[in-house]
Amino acid sequence: QSALTQPPSVSGSPGQSVTISCTGTSSDVGSYNRVSWYQQPPGTAPKLMIYEVSNRPSGVPDRFSGSKSGNTASLTISGLQAEDEADYYCSSYTSSSTSWVFGGGTKLTVL
Amino acid sequence: QVTLRESGPALVKPTQTLTLTCTFSGFSLSTSGMCVSWIRQPPGKALEWLALIDWDDDKYYSTSLKTRLTISKDTSKNQVVLTMTNMDPVDTATYYCARTPSLGGYSFDYWGQGTLVTVSS
Repeated sequence: QSALTQPPSVSGSPGQSVTISCTGTSSDVGSYNRVSWYQQPPGTAPKLMIYEVSNRPSGVPDRFSGSKSGNTASLTISGLQAEDEADYYCSSYTSSSTSWVFGGGTKLTVL
Repeated sequence: QVTLRESGPALVKPTQTLTLTCTFSGFSLSTSGMCVSWIRQPPGKALEWLALIDWDDDKYYSTSLKTRLTISKDTSKNQVVLTMTNMDPVDTATYYCARTPSLGGYSFDYWGQGTLVTVSS
């Protein structure tokens, strides 16, 4: 069981928007802005998409955005494209054990 | 250009000790704020953070695996080494190393390609 809770799957049609949630606790997501999101197509290494809740690294399309409210962080992908189909993971620093935790991952299907 | 590459045995026997090396370029682990992490992913399962070492040689470990893990660095060789003792078939996974700068909220901004480690007799 992962420390952060994500929905197992989400789906959307090309051009639509989808949001993936990531629920933690007051020891991690709720207390720190050290929340990040990763995209992992099958058979590849994860790629950083969002860091510090809402910042995009250079080269990541602005269709990807992040936010946080209380103990839940969210990744929104707007204008869905076929190439967005992948597994997505959230991560956060946690003070409960001075460590980092991941969510269980969400499989995004572009219909 | 930042690159990381994991190396180590593809197959280990139960109870053996696994030693993995992360060789990196494009940054220095002696730079203030710089860190390197190890993360693993069992086949078909989620990512799991294992350990982090920082520029000041401070080390942090997964609570559940702390007794089995040791992380170390050789700044002159641009390498970070992870050892995991008493390997078990449930430790079969792809092991990744990732750069983890404090400037960036300790996110994992560059990853190696990963190395698959199978634990079997």
